[in-house]
Amino acid sequence: EVQLVESGGGLVQPGGSLRLSCAASGFTFSIYWMHWVRQVPGKGLVWVSRLNGDGRTTDYADSVKGRFTMSRDDAKKIVYLQMNSLRVEDTAVYYCVRDRPDWKWGQGTLVTVSS
Amino acid sequence: QSALTQPASVSGSPGQSITISCTGTSSDIGRYNYVSWFQQHPGKVPKVMISDVSNRPSGVSSRFSGSKSGNTASLTISGVQAEDEADYYCNSFTTSGTWVFGGGTKLTVL
Repeated sequence: EVQLVESGGGLVQPGGSLRLSCAASGFTFSIYWMHWVRQVPGKGLVWVSRLNGDGRTTDYADSVKGRFTMSRDDAKKIVYLQMNSLRVEDTAVYYCVRDRPDWKWGQGTLVTVSS
Repeated sequence: QSALTQPASVSGSPGQSITISCTGTSSDIGRYNYVSWFQQHPGKVPKVMISDVSNRPSGVSSRFSGSKSGNTASLTISGVQAEDEADYYCNSFTTSGTWVFGGGTKLTVL
C-alpha cells in the first residue's frame, strides 16, 4: 500500500525557516516525480513544487521560487521541502503528493507563519 | 501561473447528471492531455477521480467521466448521489514545467 507521511510543520515567525519531510513507502520511490501542494484551510489547492526521480530536475511556483527548495533522499525514501524567508501568506497545510497518473496524497502537515 | 477557471458552485438533484468545467489556455489544458480531477470532502485529503483527461483510476465509480475540448476540460458525474457532494478541483501541466490547479467547485446535491 502506498503511504506518504509528512512531518516538520509547525509555528514559525515571518522570515524564518522550516524543513518539511515526506516519508514514502509501498512503491518504487526512485522512479516517481514527487510534488508539494498546499492549501489554506477553507481555500483551494495550490501547486508548490515538483522533483523528478533522480533529483536533478525541480520546478517551483513563482510564489515560492528562490525561497523554497525541494530535494530527495532515495536511500531513505524521503522528500524534503526546505522553506526559507517564510511569509504570513505561506501559512497552509502542505501535502506531499506522488505524481500522476494516480496522484497519491499524504495527510498533510500544517505550517503557520505568524509573529 | 494563473489558476485554471472553474465555476464556484454547481448543484443537482439525485440522479441528475452534472458537468463541471475547467478552462485554461493553450499553454496548459490546450497543449497537454495531462488534466486531472480531484474530489475533496470537508476535512479530508483530495482523491483523484480522473487522470490524463479521461482515465478513471481503479476504484473510482464509472459515474465519473472526463473530457477535453480545446482549452477547456470537463468532469461529468452521471446520476449524482448524495455522497458526491464535495469540492472538485482540476489541474493541468503547463509549458513552464509547472502544474496549476483550478480554484475549485463546490458540488451541492439538492
